Amino acid sequence: DGGITQSPKYLFRKEGQNVTLSCEQNLNHDAMYWYRQDPGQGLRLIYYSQIVNDFQKGDIAEGYSVSREKKESFPLTVTSAQKNPTAFYLCASSILRTRVATGELFFGEGSRLTVL
Amino acid sequence: AQRVTQPEKLLSVFKGAPVELKCNYSYSGSPELFWYVQYSRQRLQLLLRHISRESIKGFTADLNKGETSFHLKKPFAQEEDSAMYYCALLPYNTDKLIFGTGTRLQVFP
Repeated sequence: DGGITQSPKYLFRKEGQNVTLSCEQNLNHDAMYWYRQDPGQGLRLIYYSQIVNDFQKGDIAEGYSVSREKKESFPLTVTSAQKNPTAFYLCASSILRTRVATGELFFGEGSRLTVL
Repeated sequence: AQRVTQPEKLLSVFKGAPVELKCNYSYSGSPELFWYVQYSRQRLQLLLRHISRESIKGFTADLNKGETSFHLKKPFAQEEDSAMYYCALLPYNTDKLIFGTGTRLQVFP
């Protein structure tokens, strides 16, 4: 069953703790993305990666970190430096534009992080 | 600045009424525009892209470069159209989609 898998679906964290959200895809997509979804603010890009071992900051990267050691995996760490981490996090993947200009992102089901 | 604006947070209509979800963009080049939809308890997914000039589930969207708009329209709304709709812009030579803030469509019976 092809697609994007995010885990965990729900996560609770105490203030001051780092937490890592998992994102795995078996679509053989080159590009992967992390978005944050807040009510009234839409989707805001945190980080994205177009190739293994390379990634770029999005619009709201402060307090977050990522790695891309494998094509299939793009974990996101929410660090204690993130001031308002309670949110819904979406991972996505796509074919690189330079290969096929579709612009279509495939999304995971999301992870809801709550900081207590 | 590259930006997508969806002025309505919520749009409520009755079944059978026409629907227009507004989207305006700010971009100096030739844009590629998309509509994404998120139904309750489902993943966010692509609804349609302007370059395909397609109609999906009865929805159409026309790019108006003069008004910098890409409004989503459907002549007769159905209850199953109730969802969150996002307009998105793909700037030239990037893979970074820029999303609007979204409009929640509620279709009442």
